[in-house]
Amino acid sequence: NAGVMQNPRHLVRRRGQEARLRCSPMKGHSHVYWYRQLPEEGLKFMVYLQKENIIDESGMPKERFSAEFPKEGPSILRIQQVVRGDSAAYFCASSPEIGADGTQYFGPGTRLLVL
Amino acid sequence: AQSVTQLDSHVSVSEGTPVLLRCNYSSSYSPSLFWYVQHPNKGLQLLLKYTSAATLVKGINGFEAEFKKSETSFHLTKPSAHMSDAAEYFCVVTHTGGFKTIFGAGTRLFVKA
Repeated sequence: NAGVMQNPRHLVRRRGQEARLRCSPMKGHSHVYWYRQLPEEGLKFMVYLQKENIIDESGMPKERFSAEFPKEGPSILRIQQVVRGDSAAYFCASSPEIGADGTQYFGPGTRLLVL
Repeated sequence: AQSVTQLDSHVSVSEGTPVLLRCNYSSSYSPSLFWYVQHPNKGLQLLLKYTSAATLVKGINGFEAEFKKSETSFHLTKPSAHMSDAAEYFCVVTHTGGFKTIFGAGTRLFVKA
């Protein structure tokens, strides 16, 4: 059973470009979470999605950031018109369902560098 | 409201000596508590979790943690540090049945030979 997959592992973008980060949850998991980790900091919750639904996006910046988890395919975190401050590691996690013990399984992360 | 405080940003121990990484939490709900480890440029690996069963929880690689409700603490310990334990450790709280996960700021563990 493959773990949570994220790609790309490293992404370099110039200011103003778009960054698209992908996350495939563990098999059988229908809940996906995105986190951002700035250098020397802990992870900050961004958004929680179930298939085709955004459940909580209270941690998402109001502009330029969006997330989706379509019926088919991976979850996508999209950052439009990137700025240098978007440089960070972005982690995806998945879990089987609410009501479980709260364990989330993390992917290896995508490290975004904005030049 | 939930919060997590990791009391030390850095801890340095000698190989073979005990490890103590401190974590205090606050939660309005019945909490689930976790410790994750992150090696440089890697993802997060679950070390152990407390979810309202036994208060002393054993995890991987010889780590364990004790949930103390009266002290609102969930400190991580290991009897004897190994060089491979050098990493960043995160204490995490959520509430049972919920999804909002709060991470501590992390404690970087250094292990000296």
